[in-house]
Amino acid sequence: GENVEQHPSTLSVQEGDSAVIKCTYSDSASNYFPWYKQELGKGPQLIIDIRSNVGEKKDQRIAVTLNKTAKHFSLHITETQPEDSAVYFCAASRKTSYDKVIFGPGTSLSVIP
Amino acid sequence: NAGVTQTPKFQVLKTGQSMTLQCAQDMNHNSMYWYRQDPGMGLRLIYYSASEGTTDKGEVPNGYNVSRLNKREFSLRLESAAPSQTSVYFCASMIGSLFEQYFGPGTRLTVT
Repeated sequence: GENVEQHPSTLSVQEGDSAVIKCTYSDSASNYFPWYKQELGKGPQLIIDIRSNVGEKKDQRIAVTLNKTAKHFSLHITETQPEDSAVYFCAASRKTSYDKVIFGPGTSLSVIP
Repeated sequence: NAGVTQTPKFQVLKTGQSMTLQCAQDMNHNSMYWYRQDPGMGLRLIYYSASEGTTDKGEVPNGYNVSRLNKREFSLRLESAAPSQTSVYFCASMIGSLFEQYFGPGTRLTVT
């Protein structure tokens, strides 16, 4: 069936460095790719998303890139801060199907002060 | 505007007991979802409701039932809890046209 792979599963960076999380998806009909941040004890929160007609999107220190041909998309966080420490989930979905939101297994990011 | 709320926050059940997890949203969203989260497995969809009056199975529906009580509320019922249902359960709602999901804070359920 459809799945989303995510790497790495854990990532540790020094404060101020960049962090990159990569995902691949199998459903070629996917056209919406959100990223969620989950802090300890809380529910996931949408931080950025990208649609299939766009190759890159930025929001302050966060950027997402999409390569539809290779079925890859990535999250880039620059100038990391301790408050960026959390679990990050990528997901892929078809905007025509309410149930086809497939989540990756998550990446635990630790930013060391 | 509370967003998505869930009750209870924590629950311990014995095998065979039943319980209902409650979820409500005040954002006037049409679609609502129940997920379970297990270590290393991301979020898996249990049931969803695309609109008031409809419910459909997701990836892992066995052992669960749902009720879309009205536009605001979507409950998840475990009729006979099993240890395999130990998990963290999240409710979410979505604006249909934008496909952006908003999650509640979760219910941590332990079945012994």
